[in-house]
Amino acid sequence: GQQLNQSPQSMFIQEGEDVSMNCTSSSIFNTWLWYKQEPGEGPVLLIALYKAGELTSNGRLTAQFGITRKDSFLNISASIPSDVGIYFCAGQFKTSYDKVIFGPGTSLSVIP
Amino acid sequence: GAGVSQSPSNKVTEKGKDVELRCDPISGHTALYWYRQSLGQGLEFLIYFQGNSAPDKSGLPSDRFSAERTGGSVSTLTIQRTQQEDSAVYLCASSRPDRGAGNTIYFGEGSWLTVV
Repeated sequence: GQQLNQSPQSMFIQEGEDVSMNCTSSSIFNTWLWYKQEPGEGPVLLIALYKAGELTSNGRLTAQFGITRKDSFLNISASIPSDVGIYFCAGQFKTSYDKVIFGPGTSLSVIP
Repeated sequence: GAGVSQSPSNKVTEKGKDVELRCDPISGHTALYWYRQSLGQGLEFLIYFQGNSAPDKSGLPSDRFSAERTGGSVSTLTIQRTQQEDSAVYLCASSRPDRGAGNTIYFGEGSWLTVV
């Protein structure tokens, strides 16, 4: 069945560095979503991508929907301590409904 | 409401007892999802509702787990005869599927269940 792979699994970076993480699959998705989860909170939507090739920014975050529709990346520029959290990608595909599945997450730690 | 609301936010229960977790989705959202997240783990899909029906229950881990949704709004996830391995955060999410714009899911803050 459909499965998402995220890499890296975890990252430790210095404050101010740029971050790049990606999500891949052998399956085609119609929508890609990126979420951030902080300790004790539910996942919060960061960016939604609806078309292949789409590049969308939200402040210091930029995400792209891969042209093959099988991958997506998320970049964070000039990281700050509050970027700490787990970043999940999610992909939507057609079954009997618009099902959404989640990747295993990338844990980001920012060293001040 | 403005966001997905879940209650209780925290629940400690004794092994063998039943628990009910409630989710109030965003107003107008027809789709509702339950996920489970164990400590340090990813999101495990449990069940999907479209309106009051559940076309996808494939993620429910055992027959001790059940969920219902009434009035196309509030949903209740029930865990009977709780076990320690049921300890996790139970996350509810809702969306308003739009085939033109895709399906964006919004989460509540979760119900933290601890079975002792």
